[in-house]
Amino acid sequence: KAGVTQTPRYLIKTRGQQVTLSCSPISGHRSVSWYQQTPGQGLQFLFEYFSETQRNKGNFPGRFSGRQFSNSRSEMNVSTLELGDSALYLCASSMDRGWAEQYFGPGTRLTVT
Amino acid sequence: KQEVTQIPAALSVPEGENLVLNCSFTDSAIYNLQWFRQDPGKGLTSLLLIQSSQREQTSGRLNASLDKSSGRSTLYIAASQPGDSATYLCARGGGSSNTGKLIFGQGTTLQVKP
Repeated sequence: KAGVTQTPRYLIKTRGQQVTLSCSPISGHRSVSWYQQTPGQGLQFLFEYFSETQRNKGNFPGRFSGRQFSNSRSEMNVSTLELGDSALYLCASSMDRGWAEQYFGPGTRLTVT
Repeated sequence: KQEVTQIPAALSVPEGENLVLNCSFTDSAIYNLQWFRQDPGKGLTSLLLIQSSQREQTSGRLNASLDKSSGRSTLYIAASQPGDSATYLCARGGGSSNTGKLIFGQGTTLQVKP
């Protein structure tokens, strides 16, 4: 069974640009969550989607948005990039929302210059 | 505020040693607790998941315990090997079954010397 895949793996953008990251969950998983990982703040929850609906949102500005498609694939978008958005963005999938084990993808390394 | 703390932040041990990584959390109303491993620049690999109704889980040389009353979880690694060198993260599940949101500790970076 294929694991969680994320594309692209690496990305370099300039301040003010926008970026879209993609996540394909494990087949059969309906829940997708996104996390931002930085050396200073560690892993922080961005948002969670289940059956195309955002079920939970972390404490991030409105520049961060996401969506989930009917095939459970998810995208997150960051508009008007800032230097502080440079981070490893991780996607996790699970069978359900509460009790299920979370499986993470390899991440997308975003560098904002 | 739900917080997760991991102590120590870094640990260096000789190969073959048994070791314990600690994780503490506020708010005992957790739904589950999951331990992950992260290699430099990589994603997270799930090691063990403990449901709130369980006391411990085992996988190979790894054993994780959960004590909700004291707000603590430990990850025990037996007979450590150089390949175990990585950052270990614990994460508590949200306070209900309606969310898969995880709250992470800052991690313990383990180095096992040959």
